[in-house]
Amino acid sequence: NAGVTQTPKFQVLKTGQSMTLQCAQDMNHEYMSWYRQDPGMGLRLIHYSVGAGITDQGEVPNGYNVSRSTTEDFPLRLLSAAPSQTSVYFCASSYSPASGGGRDTQYFGPGTRLTVL
Amino acid sequence: RKEVEQDPGPFNVPEGATVAFNCTYSNSASQSFFWYRQDCRKEPKLLMSVYSSGNEDGRFTAQLNRASQYISLLIRDSKLSDSATYLCVVNMADSWGKLQFGAGTQVVVTP
Repeated sequence: NAGVTQTPKFQVLKTGQSMTLQCAQDMNHEYMSWYRQDPGMGLRLIHYSVGAGITDQGEVPNGYNVSRSTTEDFPLRLLSAAPSQTSVYFCASSYSPASGGGRDTQYFGPGTRLTVL
Repeated sequence: RKEVEQDPGPFNVPEGATVAFNCTYSNSASQSFFWYRQDCRKEPKLLMSVYSSGNEDGRFTAQLNRASQYISLLIRDSKLSDSATYLCVVNMADSWGKLQFGAGTQVVVTP
């Protein structure tokens, strides 16, 4: 299994540009989520999904959109990039409690380092 | 006030020594507690879950104190490879999967 994969690893954008960060997992996990990590702060939840077709907002959703058309993929869209969105973005996945397996473990992708100029 | 607070450190620890640090959480309804490890510029990885009775995994011991709302991590016989940032993570009962992360405690093990 590849686990959780993210592309690209690095990205530089200009203010106002849009782009999509890709996230995929091959573990058949129901839960997927996006976090951002800034210096001196903990990871903050942007959006999450409890299954295909179901998404919800996290702590810092403004400026980001998500969709979950398949179990495997959970892309994060930046609508109009701003310097405040410069950060490291992590995608994570896990089983749901109902599935009875591994509820304690969230598996993280390697991250995307985004700079907005 | 942050939901989950940690001493950022760094804790400088001689190889072979013991180091311990805490994490406090603000919401008394929190149900699940974890320690994740994050190496420089890499993704967090689960170190261990924290159970009410306390639990041990090799050289690592985690404790939960619900009355005072803190969890702790103790590392015995520190190895150079233990150098990392340790993230305290809390999960709410009614929003499983929406984890609250502390900013991390940095541990540096020196030869």
